[in-house]
Amino acid sequence: QVQLQESGPGLVKPSQTLSLTCTVSGASVSSGGSYWSWIRQPAGKGLEWLGRMYSSGSSTYNPSLRNRVTMSLDTSKNQFFLRLTSVTAADTAVYYCAKVDYYGRVDYWGEGALVTVSS
Amino acid sequence: SYVLTQPPSVSVAPGSTARVPCGGSNIGSKSVHWYRQKPGQAPVLVIFGDSDRPSGIPERFSGSNSGNTATLTISSVEAGDEADYYCQVWDGSSDHVVFGGGTKLTVL
Repeated sequence: QVQLQESGPGLVKPSQTLSLTCTVSGASVSSGGSYWSWIRQPAGKGLEWLGRMYSSGSSTYNPSLRNRVTMSLDTSKNQFFLRLTSVTAADTAVYYCAKVDYYGRVDYWGEGALVTVSS
Repeated sequence: SYVLTQPPSVSVAPGSTARVPCGGSNIGSKSVHWYRQKPGQAPVLVIFGDSDRPSGIPERFSGSNSGNTATLTISSVEAGDEADYYCQVWDGSSDHVVFGGGTKLTVL
């Protein structure tokens, strides 16, 4: 059974950097065939895909984030990471880490982590 | 970038059939996935590859995809089906995952 768990600060000040970790169990972030993604959801709004990483280290990001986003992997710890710089109140959301399979579907989701941007 | 359009809300009576559309340019050429999200919970995959159901999803849930519209159909709707439903595709031209804006299903 694949499980994903987000962790990180729940409160970030404006203009600072949001950093989240996703710890994966039941699957390996270094194995092929899967992509490791971050998706967020502001309160009362829809899902926004932030980007995804492949086991090779290649990545694709949502252009709406204007180069503020970076994702990375740590295969030794079976974790992947989100880094979002220069945050504003508009970045307040529940952040999900997720596994996207070869067919492009999100087959596993983390439970979500609420991150609030406020001074 | 590729855009998926869903109506904000759909309302149906218990026992009837709910249809949730998802519009996109030539979406029939893409593989569409559907998720159900209840308040305070992570989304759950209910349909993948246009019309396949993951294990544990009732047969009442079905999907179709043709032309510019994909549709999630829920037959014999129950109160427990009340949730937000999202369609999603992978846009190969941009290598992006794209979600629709979501549809709130209300069971009257």
